[in-house]
Amino acid sequence: QKEVEQDPGPLSVPEGAIVSLNCTYSNSAFQYFMWYRQYSRKGPELLMYTYSSGNKEDGRFTAQVDKSSKYISLFIRDSQPSDSATYLCAMSGGGDDKIIFGKGTRLHILP
Amino acid sequence: DTEVTQTPKHLVMGMTNKKSLKCEQHMGHRAMYWYKQKAKKPPELMFVYSYEKLSINESVPSRFSPECPNSSLLNLHLHALQPEDSALYLCASSTRGAPGEQFFGPGTRLTVL
Repeated sequence: QKEVEQDPGPLSVPEGAIVSLNCTYSNSAFQYFMWYRQYSRKGPELLMYTYSSGNKEDGRFTAQVDKSSKYISLFIRDSQPSDSATYLCAMSGGGDDKIIFGKGTRLHILP
Repeated sequence: DTEVTQTPKHLVMGMTNKKSLKCEQHMGHRAMYWYKQKAKKPPELMFVYSYEKLSINESVPSRFSPECPNSSLLNLHLHALQPEDSALYLCASSTRGAPGEQFFGPGTRLTVL
């Protein structure tokens, strides 16, 4: 079992829909949970950063962490074509500076 | 200044060439990273520098040689690369104590002929 599992997609949804992206993980030592957005041929951009369990909201984005289920989610409300990108979940907390990335989900928002 | 810059944006080199990639940040971050990313794959960690000292080397071949001259600069020296080393090379930085909160540069797209 890989440390972090993420469905690579692609996921296509109509503009304005709510998007749900998810990752599961196996290492209970993870404490920091991140979502990065990466446009084609660009570097990843940190979208959401959460510590331990709970929800965090930032504009149209909501990140949820459920440590008991080892499951994290990113919700995008009122999705826009400009949200089309690859979304990478990432986690850390094993006592060093490493973060472990999921494979990334390619998202297409259809106008 | 909240960005990480990388130069050059693109690099084409032969297998016998020596070249260097450069990364710079002025956010006061004391951890800096090199990643390699192939198409449709997540970034793959290569090296981590913490307080200008190499703290993690992910068993990277010696044809890649990192250097951290000061707290703002990170270099990656390349020598005798192989075509399979062609990839996007990403630099990132973070504050110590917030290991996941990494800020990435735009990357250098490297092609090895």
